[in-house]
Amino acid sequence: DGGITQSPKYLFRKEGQNVTLSCEQNLNHDAMYWYRQDPGQGLRLIYYSQIVNDFQKGDIAEGYSVSREKKESFPLTVTSAQKNPTAFYLCASSIVARGQQETQYFGPGTRLLVL
Amino acid sequence: AQKVTQAQTEISVVEKEDVTLDCVYETRDTTYYLFWYKQPPSGELVFLIRRNSFDEQNEISGRYSWNFQKSTSSFNFTITASQVVDSAVYFCALSSLNTDKLIFGTGTRLQVFP
Repeated sequence: DGGITQSPKYLFRKEGQNVTLSCEQNLNHDAMYWYRQDPGQGLRLIYYSQIVNDFQKGDIAEGYSVSREKKESFPLTVTSAQKNPTAFYLCASSIVARGQQETQYFGPGTRLLVL
Repeated sequence: AQKVTQAQTEISVVEKEDVTLDCVYETRDTTYYLFWYKQPPSGELVFLIRRNSFDEQNEISGRYSWNFQKSTSSFNFTITASQVVDSAVYFCALSSLNTDKLIFGTGTRLQVFP
């Protein structure tokens, strides 16, 4: 079955610790995205990548980092610089079609909690 | 600036009632795309529909229907004969050719009681 997987489902971070959230897709999509969702709010874009070895900052990139070494994988690192990391993190992917905005498909999410 | 407004924070209905979720958008672009997603308690966003700005035809899919009106910048979503399984948070979203981003509304929580 094609889809997007995120792991872990729950993640606990200690003060000053960096943690990495995994996102893998087997949909053969070129573009991948990371969003943050806080209670009662919509999704905010952290980073996105439309091609391997290239990525762009979204609206709230501070305190986060990403890499895109493989088409299938787009891990997100929450660094110690992110002072309020508690949130629900969603990964998405889409095809890239010139001249139109394609549908983004989402993974099941990772809930990050600070100890 | 682009913006999506979902003014209804929470709606409660009894099973079999019809319910409409409102979505109002703002954009200066002439080519844009509107989306609806469903987020059940499990958390994953489920894609429901994508509509481009040149297609104002209303769409029906089973109990779901969408009303797109450019004159009022609205893209409303109606569930007919609601069921308990429809309970979720529903998000409306907007994107355009001039941005690579999907702009989300704040969502409407729908609770359907038996």
